[in-house]
Amino acid sequence: IAGITQAPTSQILAAGRRMTLRCTQDMRHNAMYWYRQDLGLGLRLIHYSNTAGTTGKGEVPDGYSVSRANTDDFPLTLASAVPSQTSVYFCASSASGGGPDEQFFGPGTRLTVL
Amino acid sequence: GQNIDQPTEMTATEGAIVQINCTYQTSGFNGLFWYQQHAGEAPTFLSYNVLDGLEEKGRFSSFLSRSKGYSYLLLKELQMKDSASYLCAVRDSNYQLIWGAGTKLIIKP
Repeated sequence: IAGITQAPTSQILAAGRRMTLRCTQDMRHNAMYWYRQDLGLGLRLIHYSNTAGTTGKGEVPDGYSVSRANTDDFPLTLASAVPSQTSVYFCASSASGGGPDEQFFGPGTRLTVL
Repeated sequence: GQNIDQPTEMTATEGAIVQINCTYQTSGFNGLFWYQQHAGEAPTFLSYNVLDGLEEKGRFSSFLSRSKGYSYLLLKELQMKDSASYLCAVRDSNYQLIWGAGTKLIIKP
């Protein structure tokens, strides 16, 4: 593994189903993030974690939950998917939450909820 | 509310220079980032500004004026591979990134 990986690459999901998007980084970064990207809109932060064991809500957290049991993994769960959650989901990480530290992005998961 | 404004789309010619503007209104300011995103791919980091002035990195430069809430990304000697979306993002008082919708840059031969 080099950088950040996400799984699955794409998924079609029936409304009401539960889904977990996986994210793993091998850079030993403290901070991790989940964004969604929709056409015509900027990346919107769903949830974040500044360090293992802590999480926080972003701009659009409703319908999503996260956990950060260790440094490397940051899964995003949709408890009961709805069509408005159709989007491209990006996981990102940074060494810390501040300063010039850039965020590194995973390849994304394209999710369609029908 | 917080707002990042960028032009939706720009067109430029291979070999030319293009300037992509970004204006922002955010609750606090802790740095401004520019990212490049090719279609169907993840964003990748280009530049970071926290103080006023110009930061140069090869063919790409980024400028910041905090008093005006304004930044631009300058791309020189444009190449076809520069066709992509360019995303402006501001780190706010909560140290979270607020993102613009991106500027799609089309390069013509």
